[in-house]
Amino acid sequence: AIQLTQSPSSLSASVGDRVTITCRASQGISSALAWYQQKPGKAPKLLIYDASSLESGVPSRFSGSGSGTDFTLTISSLQPEDFATYYCQQFNTYPLSITFGQGTRLEIK
Amino acid sequence: QVQLVQSGAEVKKPGSSVKVSCKASGLSFNTYAISWVRQAPGQGLEWMGGIIPMFGTTYYAQKFQGRVTITADESTSTAYMDLSSLRSDDTAVYYCARGSYSDYWGQGTLVIVSS
Repeated sequence: AIQLTQSPSSLSASVGDRVTITCRASQGISSALAWYQQKPGKAPKLLIYDASSLESGVPSRFSGSGSGTDFTLTISSLQPEDFATYYCQQFNTYPLSITFGQGTRLEIK
Repeated sequence: QVQLVQSGAEVKKPGSSVKVSCKASGLSFNTYAISWVRQAPGQGLEWMGGIIPMFGTTYYAQKFQGRVTITADESTSTAYMDLSSLRSDDTAVYYCARGSYSDYWGQGTLVIVSS
């Protein structure tokens, strides 16, 4: 089974900072990767799909890149509402299987 | 309103089963995979399995094979997740979500397993 490793596991940053979170797959997954944001007590929210496509309604300060095994999520200028936990996720179409990274907790410095 | 609405919280005894429902309204249901994802307290997201309602095809994570059953009723746009032989470490919030890239999620159902 494909494993996803996120780094860092947590990070502290300030409003206005540029932040990058990485996700490494244990084998190549082309561009079949998504990023989610989750706030306490809430369901995850889809931010990025196909590694770099911005989900409708998501602010443009969020961007994704990468293919194969190495991926990044970048927040260009942190806003107060961005402090949350972020997960990467990959899927295999057939047979369907989904794997999540362990999460990156983004905290206010 | 476009949403997935899940059934309410459950408290179960170890060894029993729980069945959680997920009803879709205002969004396409049959042609998308519906996944079940759980999150133990303070932990990350864990995919349990999914179903494509149009075909009735189910897929399960190896960890849950034999213990989870996912079904769907196309006539009511409702998916179900049945987890048996419950243990204390099954205590978690259980989510349903639509699609391989999950653009819609249910609100979550807290299942507590305690004697």
